[in-house]
Amino acid sequence: NAGVTQTPKFQVLKTGQSMTLQCAQDMNHNSMYWYRQDPGMGLRLIYYSASEGTTDKGEVPNGYNVSRLNKREFSLRLESAAPSQTSVYFCAIQAAGNEKLFFGSGTQLSVL
Amino acid sequence: KQEVTQIPAALSVPEGENLVLNCSFTDSAIYNLQWFRQDPGKGLTSLLLIQSSQREQTSGRLNASLDKSSGRSTLYIAASQPGDSATYLCAPLGGSNYKLTFGKGTLLTVNP
Repeated sequence: NAGVTQTPKFQVLKTGQSMTLQCAQDMNHNSMYWYRQDPGMGLRLIYYSASEGTTDKGEVPNGYNVSRLNKREFSLRLESAAPSQTSVYFCAIQAAGNEKLFFGSGTQLSVL
Repeated sequence: KQEVTQIPAALSVPEGENLVLNCSFTDSAIYNLQWFRQDPGKGLTSLLLIQSSQREQTSGRLNASLDKSSGRSTLYIAASQPGDSATYLCAPLGGSNYKLTFGKGTLLTVNP
């Protein structure tokens, strides 16, 4: 998954704690995405950023906030973590809206 | 709302067999369709992208076809190898909302 770096790779939180998932790319792509993947649910879009300075809600945005800090970085913040947010989170990038997506290796988050 | 179904959910074959993975989608107004591979504990890797104007795309032993009007795509893997073992996901790009919708995937196991 060269080109898209996610940190951390693993995280355990207690209910109510906050944390930020980081995503950085070195491919100079315009669009960045945050997905979550849950067993039996597939991949669902949380938030996306079509270009620097813009962000939009996806299918499951509740409980999350995002920041497109610059063209390289797109962070996902959980203000008050809940057990329902236990999931694997993936960041993805795309040069333009109809081109291939490139994914990071994911962050496995557990909320107890 | 786009719904994507992948059949079968799991497939186990002996090495060397040719196989077909199926993907169907309910909204035929798509820009393109991507096939991804996901190895356990890893992110997704884009294998093939078929534009809506195309009928098929080939990469090595992989061939993906698209019949937009009937809402179907197939991924053909020739001469399967144990290294092909992974989950394969399809994702059409919506024509109205310009967003990817993922299927739940087909878990492929190729036995030596």
